Order: sequence, then structure tokens, then C-alpha cells
Amino acid sequence: GDSVTQMEGPVTLSEEAFLTINCTYTATGYPSLFWYVQYPGEGLQLLLKATKADDKGSNKGFEATYRKETTSFHLEKGSVQVSDSAVYFCALSQGNTPLVFGKGTRLSVIA
Amino acid sequence: KAGVTQTPRYLIKTRGQQVTLSCSPISGHRSVSWYQQTPGQGLQFLFEYFSETQRNKGNFPGRFSGRQFSNSRSEMNVSTLELGDSALYLCASSLEGRTFDYGYTFGSGTRLTVV
Repeated sequence: GDSVTQMEGPVTLSEEAFLTINCTYTATGYPSLFWYVQYPGEGLQLLLKATKADDKGSNKGFEATYRKETTSFHLEKGSVQVSDSAVYFCALSQGNTPLVFGKGTRLSVIA
Repeated sequence: KAGVTQTPRYLIKTRGQQVTLSCSPISGHRSVSWYQQTPGQGLQFLFEYFSETQRNKGNFPGRFSGRQFSNSRSEMNVSTLELGDSALYLCASSLEGRTFDYGYTFGSGTRLTVV
């Protein structure tokens, strides 16, 4: 079945550092890809999405590009802030199928 | 507009008991999905309801059940609780249940602890 693999955490960065969280997927067909973020004690929030190859999703300084040739959807941010500390989940879905999530990557940003 | 509301936020139950969790979706959303989140297994899909009908079901035992009412509110029930059922249960609503169109909005979850 479909699956998502993302880099293990935790990731600890200093404020203003560059962030990359790797995500690769296995799927039949052409899934939509998502990044969700979970802040402590809260549910998941959609951070960005891409629905077809070469699409770039972006939001709040985060970006990810749907790469069909490498089946990847890596999350990047040029300059992280302490407020970005959270758990990040990569996910995929096809049409009406449920979201399939990666295991999550915990990011800690220190001042 | 109001987000997805899950009640209660926290629950402590004893092994063998049953529990009912509630989810009120965003007004106008007809699809409600439930996920279980644990440190070991991550986020696992339980089931999805659309217009009062179960449309998708994950790989969970029959002790886990759900339903959706005509106002789109949904409940999930877990009978004969086991220690391993301790988890954060997340509900997500969507307009049509098609992620590539509208995406899902998640609630803050119900933290269930089984002792």
C-alpha cells in the first residue's frame, strides 16, 4: 500500500538556521502531498500542499516541491524561528482515500 | 468560523470499560475522519464518515466503531478498553472528503488514558 517515509528526529537548530526535513513516498498513481504541523497540545494544522508533479506548496516561509522523479516532497525553510518548534508530518492521499502519514519529525529551535 | 470541536479533551478510563468521543465538524463539512495517534505507531486512520455513511475503514478491531448524525457530528466508540488504546484521538473534517480539493481541518483531539 501507499506509504510515507520521513527523516527521523529530533532535529535541533539554532534560530535563523536553514531547515530541511526529508520526505519520500511510495504510491500507485498520482497522490496529493501535504505537510502538517502539530504544536504541543494541539491537533494537526495543514502547512502546505501540492497536488501534482512540480507543484510548489508554500506557507509561512516554508516550501516543498512535488518531485515525481524522486518521489519526494522535502520541507524547507530558509530561517527558522523558535516559534517553529513543533512536530512536522508529511502525508499523502489519492482522491477519496484517507491521509497516510509519515512518523513525524520533531523540530526544536533554540534561541 | 468555528473550527473542529472535539469533546472531551481528556479522559481517564479503566480497562474493560467503554468510551464515546465526540466530534463536531466545521459547519457545512460533510466528511469526518478519525485518527489514532500514539508514540509508537504514529497517526493511524480509523474510519471516515460522509453523509452518515462509513466510506472508509482502517485496520482496527471491531471494538472501534463510529457513526455520523444528520448534522454531520460524529461519535466514535471504543468498547472493552485495553491499555494499548491509550492515545490521542484526532478528528478531521472536510467539505467533501477529497483531500486534493479542500484538505482536512483537524480538531485538538481527545487524550484517552486507559489505566
